[in-house]
Amino acid sequence: SQTIHQWPATLVQPVGSPLSLECTVEGTSNPNLYWYRQAAGRGLQLLFYSVGIGQISSEVPQNLSASRPQDRQFILSSKKLLLSDSGFYLCAWSDGRETQYFGPGTRLLVL
Amino acid sequence: GNSVTQMEGPVTLSEEAFLTINCTYTATGYPSLFWYVQYPGEGLQLLLKATKADDKGSNKGFEATYRKETTSFHLEKGSVQVSDSAVYFCALSVLVGNEKLTFGTGTRLTIIP
Repeated sequence: SQTIHQWPATLVQPVGSPLSLECTVEGTSNPNLYWYRQAAGRGLQLLFYSVGIGQISSEVPQNLSASRPQDRQFILSSKKLLLSDSGFYLCAWSDGRETQYFGPGTRLLVL
Repeated sequence: GNSVTQMEGPVTLSEEAFLTINCTYTATGYPSLFWYVQYPGEGLQLLLKATKADDKGSNKGFEATYRKETTSFHLEKGSVQVSDSAVYFCALSVLVGNEKLTFGTGTRLTIIP
C-alpha cells in the first residue's frame, strides 16, 4: 500500500532563516505531487505541483520554492523565511485519477 | 474559473443530531467532487467522492449526492458522534492532464456529548 511521509512534524524558525521541508511517497511510482499551505483558520492554498522529476509548477508568487530531485521526493524550500510563511504545510500525491492523498503535515511557526 | 463555497462555520451540534454541511461549486467542464476531513493536528483524509451527476458518495455514515442542476454536493449524516468533530473540506477537480483540487474554506464541526 502507498504511504506518504512528511518531516519534520513541527518546526520553529526565526525570520530570515532558511527552510527545507521534505515529503516522500512509498508504494507507487511516478506520482503527481503537491504542496499546500493552510494558514490558521483558513482553507488550503495550492503552492506547487509536479508531474515528474524536475517538473515544478508554481501556483502563486511567493517566498518559497519547490524541487523534485527524485521520483517520490518533493522538497519545499525558502532562502529567507517571513513571518507570513507560518502555517500548516501539507504534501499530497495522486496517481492521475483525481483523488489526492495527504501526508500528516508540518506545522511551521516563524518568529 | 473553478470555485467551491462552503457554509460558514463553526458548527456545533449535540451528539446524535442530524448534520448538513452545504457545499456549492462553479466549474468549467465536468468536475469530480470530494469531501475531505481533517481531524485535530492531522492531515486531510478523503471522506467520500462522486465523479458524475446523481452519484452518491458514502463513508462512515456520511453521504453526499452530486447535484448538477443545483451545482451542489451537501454533506449529511443522520446521527453524529463526538468522534466526528473535525474540519470538513469540500473540493472539486477537473481532470485536465493533471488534477488540481480546488478547496472550499472548510467548516469546523464540534459535537458535544
